[in-house]
Amino acid sequence: DQQVKQNSPSLSVQEGRISILNCDYTNSMFDYFLWYKKYPAEGPTFLISISSIKDKNEDGRFTVFLNKSAKHLSLHIVPSQPGDSAVYFCAAVEGVVDMRFGAGTRLTVKP
Amino acid sequence: EPEVTQTPSHQVTQMGQEVILRCVPISNHLYFYWYRQILGQKVEFLVSFYNNEISEKSEIFDDQFSVERPDGSNFTLKIRSTKLEDSAMYFCASRLGQGEAEAFFGQGTRLTVV
Repeated sequence: DQQVKQNSPSLSVQEGRISILNCDYTNSMFDYFLWYKKYPAEGPTFLISISSIKDKNEDGRFTVFLNKSAKHLSLHIVPSQPGDSAVYFCAAVEGVVDMRFGAGTRLTVKP
Repeated sequence: EPEVTQTPSHQVTQMGQEVILRCVPISNHLYFYWYRQILGQKVEFLVSFYNNEISEKSEIFDDQFSVERPDGSNFTLKIRSTKLEDSAMYFCASRLGQGEAEAFFGQGTRLTVV
């Protein structure tokens, strides 16, 4: 099941700079897209979402961009902080129930 | 703040034994999920549950797996005869309903099959 793909397993950025996490999908029927953050030995924590009818959603330092024609979304974190270091999962929801996750990208923010 | 709780946090079992992983979803949520994450790998969908029945299941969710909501609050995942490859973190999640996309996850149960 490769409906949601995160092709970069890891990303390293300097504190204060921008982190850009990317996600691609194949199913044009997805209604919502979400980003989750996960620390080791904890469950994923919801970060931000975007409806398929929008192209941008912003919440503080986090902005998600959706490009439906390219079936691509990205999460921007500005400025990045060491506490942002975690694994970030992209997820997509179709219809009532279905939710699928990407493989995750490990973000490391260096002080 | 309401949260999804999972018990136990860690379960060690012998191969071939049955295990039951327990979850208490957020009380007014209608949709429930089980996911698993094998160490170092992606979060994999197992099953979704709505209106007291399975809505969808993945190819991983074979006849060895079953889910139940026995008493209106608990949501359980049973593995009948565990295999070594079932060792993983199992996450339960719940979601309020259509139009509310955000799912809330529990802290997970680490299952170790020896």
